[in-house]
Amino acid sequence: GAGVSQTPSNKVTEKGKYVELRCDPISGHTALYWYRQSLGQGPEFLIYFQGTGAADDSGLPNDRFFAVRPEGSVSTLKIQRTERGDSAVYLCASSLTGGLNTGELFFGEGSRLTVL
Amino acid sequence: AQTVTQSQPEMSVQEAETVTLSCTYDTSESDYYLFWYKQPPSRQMILVIRQEAYKQQNATENRFSVNFQKAAKSFSLKISDSQLGDAAMYFCAYNKRDYKLSFGAGTTVTVRA
Repeated sequence: GAGVSQTPSNKVTEKGKYVELRCDPISGHTALYWYRQSLGQGPEFLIYFQGTGAADDSGLPNDRFFAVRPEGSVSTLKIQRTERGDSAVYLCASSLTGGLNTGELFFGEGSRLTVL
Repeated sequence: AQTVTQSQPEMSVQEAETVTLSCTYDTSESDYYLFWYKQPPSRQMILVIRQEAYKQQNATENRFSVNFQKAAKSFSLKISDSQLGDAAMYFCAYNKRDYKLSFGAGTTVTVRA
């Protein structure tokens, strides 16, 4: 596709359930990022992939959160044992390379997660 | 850690008028990037304008311009000739020339017809 695609657009789940959020970046972009945007806040960095590997996962809040990018393209953010505090919009972005000095970040429209 | 502060939760502007959004940041770096992003109801973050800290000249993109005051660590966005399509949430963001963006809490801009 022409842009970054995220699915699902909206996800409602119950506390304790497992959730997967998918990101399909722009073709050819080696760098992929996940950010979390809580209500009334700016996005916060979660994880950065360069190719297939997580170059920086320091923003993942705890071990219930995990992300993969097995073939260096599509990425999945996985949240186990969801809690109400996980409710947020999860934004994915991609860029041609990993440094913002060489290129722009392109964002998807996000996945809104609501944990009841 | 870098912090970005946007002190105006909401701003309102009459169509065709000018509005200025404030942003301050904290850093010990001398070389970095600053950005303004627009987030409409679709939730997609769209880059409005970018400033490189080592450039003294303020960046301009059509109706959007910035006032970059490096010593004061201030980076305001001016929207001239405001249009209805400018209504959105605006985020100021900092990047220390790596891959990570630090965002402020945002300013909601409403445009009155």
